[in-house]
Amino acid sequence: QVQLQESGPGLVKPSETLSLTCTVSGGSIGNYYWSWIRQPPGKGLEWIGYVYYSGGTNYNPSLKTRVSMSVDTSKNQFSLKLTSVTAADTAVYYCARGEGNASPVHFDYWGQGTLVSVSS
Amino acid sequence: DIQMTQSPSSLSASVGDRVTITCRASHNTNNYINWYQQKPGKVPKLLIYAASSLQSGVPSRFSGTVSGPDFTLTISSLQPEDFATYYCQQSYSLPWTFGQGTKVEIK
Repeated sequence: QVQLQESGPGLVKPSETLSLTCTVSGGSIGNYYWSWIRQPPGKGLEWIGYVYYSGGTNYNPSLKTRVSMSVDTSKNQFSLKLTSVTAADTAVYYCARGEGNASPVHFDYWGQGTLVSVSS
Repeated sequence: DIQMTQSPSSLSASVGDRVTITCRASHNTNNYINWYQQKPGKVPKLLIYAASSLQSGVPSRFSGTVSGPDFTLTISSLQPEDFATYYCQQSYSLPWTFGQGTKVEIK
């Protein structure tokens, strides 16, 4: 059974960098679109971007200037960095697997989510 | 960006009711539409992918259909565990986008 687990600080100061890692267990990190999705408290879901197993990335233009993602296949991990955070970046951050090998991409496995608060 | 608009934003229904939620995209999505269920404080769960394919393990009372520009999620007989918020999502065009959600509440 594939499992994803986010890790990283739950509190980040304004203007600093949010860094999260997602560890994948129970399956290969290959051939999937490893995504980050966030959800501000009481609001809907926003796709942040993906990193493909080969290292290729694609980011939501709304965050593109502040986002970077990477993958470490040797550790079965992928990571998110979001720079210059503000209170508007306070959200639950989910990592998710984008499966699209034989069908349109859909998020079939999700991490439990981690709440990241931006506050001084 | 493709905007996904769900209707209604919320609804009240009783156990056993047939419930339909609609999602309309601002541009063509080639039926690359997925549906997720999210219970309060929980992780979103994939129900339907590619507009009408039932994800493994999801009860058959959930179904997805397409009619013209509208994508519909139907729950044939609402169960107590189905009270949740439902989101549609398109994966046809980057950036991938979600609808604003439809909250299904107990009448």
